Amino acid sequence: NAGVTQTPKFQVLKTGQSMTLQCAQDMNHNSMYWYRQDPGMGLRLIYYSASEGTTDKGEVPNGYNVSRLNKREFSLRLESAAPSQTSVYFCASRNQGTGSYEQYFGPGTRLTVT
Amino acid sequence: KQEVTQIPAALSVPEGENLVLNCSFTDSAIYNLQWFRQDPGKGLTSLLLIQSSQREQTSGRLNASLDKSSGRSTLYIAASQPGDSATYLCAAPSRGATNKLIFGTGTLLAVQP
Repeated sequence: NAGVTQTPKFQVLKTGQSMTLQCAQDMNHNSMYWYRQDPGMGLRLIYYSASEGTTDKGEVPNGYNVSRLNKREFSLRLESAAPSQTSVYFCASRNQGTGSYEQYFGPGTRLTVT
Repeated sequence: KQEVTQIPAALSVPEGENLVLNCSFTDSAIYNLQWFRQDPGKGLTSLLLIQSSQREQTSGRLNASLDKSSGRSTLYIAASQPGDSATYLCAAPSRGATNKLIFGTGTLLAVQP
């Protein structure tokens, strides 16, 4: 049981390049989330998916797109990376509707855009 | 709009001391509140989740309390150890969207041996 996994762990991009961050969970959770963490700003929600087939914007969605590929996988895409997107990105999952609302986090992807 | 605040931003204590970390939230109509630990360069690890019907949750040397009326939660760490050194974050659900969490900016704890 690996929990929440993310790939890659580190990435350096040049301005304007695109990339997809991958996230998978093996806990059969319904909801999945993408956050970014910046110094002094805390964690901010980018997008989330309450269930397979649905996605919604969070607090800072501009410049990102997401895909809930199936119940296990939720990817985050940067179409044209900008230096302002330099951050640590975390994926999380939660089993909604069962009374246990704990969110479980992946190890993060450290992205630098030059 | 839910806002979550953690004070102090940093705390240093000698080993063995009991300590309290504070978390304040503006919207008291919350379903739950969650405490996390984050080690440098790592992801977040869930420590405790308190449901709105509970006042306390305990796990080992950790005890979290929730007072909705005052908009406060505390995380009590007993007999602190150097291994407790980490950043501690609290998170409360967003108003009207219980599946979205709003995070505080955390308290960086250093336990000196």
